[in-house]
Amino acid sequence: EIVMTQSPATLSVSPGERATLSCRASQSINMHLAWYQQKPGQAPRLLIYGASTRATGIPARFSGSGSGTDFTLTISSLQSEDFAVYYCQQYNNWPPLTFGGGTKVEIK
Amino acid sequence: QVQLVESGGGVVQPGRSLRLSCAASGFTFSSYGMHWVRQAPGKGLEWVAVIWYDGSNKYYADSVKGRFTISRDSSKNTLYLQINSLRAEDTAVYYCARPVGATAMDAFDIWGQGTMVTVSS
Repeated sequence: EIVMTQSPATLSVSPGERATLSCRASQSINMHLAWYQQKPGQAPRLLIYGASTRATGIPARFSGSGSGTDFTLTISSLQSEDFAVYYCQQYNNWPPLTFGGGTKVEIK
Repeated sequence: QVQLVESGGGVVQPGRSLRLSCAASGFTFSSYGMHWVRQAPGKGLEWVAVIWYDGSNKYYADSVKGRFTISRDSSKNTLYLQINSLRAEDTAVYYCARPVGATAMDAFDIWGQGTMVTVSS
């Protein structure tokens, strides 16, 4: 099973600042990585797939990069609606599909 | 619009069974593999199971293998999850999810709102 490790667990950022979230896979997953945003009481929302492709309707301030084992989600200028929990997920080696433990982005 | 709507959750005693449903609309259900993902209260996301677009293949997380059964009825555009021998650790919100493309093992671009299963005596 591929273990996905996200860091940091919590990220405190001021509105308008840049946020950088990390996700590491226990072995290479090529570019088969997705990022999701989840707000309290809501289902996850797909932000990025294929490591760097924005999903439909996702603002350009969200960008993904990386390949192999190390990946990054960058939010260029945090808006109030971006404070949420973010998960990465690999879909290269399965079963199982696996998610990271999440990074909570909170207001500084 | 493209939509997934789960139902069937509730409060259930340990050892009992439950069947969850996921009604799909707005897309060609029979062309997509479909998944169940769960989230225990205050915890992260856990993939549960997948079924191929034609039902020919099914895969499960080790934590549910032998107790959960995923199935589909494409004539009703509905996905199911039969949960047997419920345990306290099965308490979670259960989401159905659709992958981005025709490849079943992919990112999930469509999620339902979730249905809560609580296992308690």
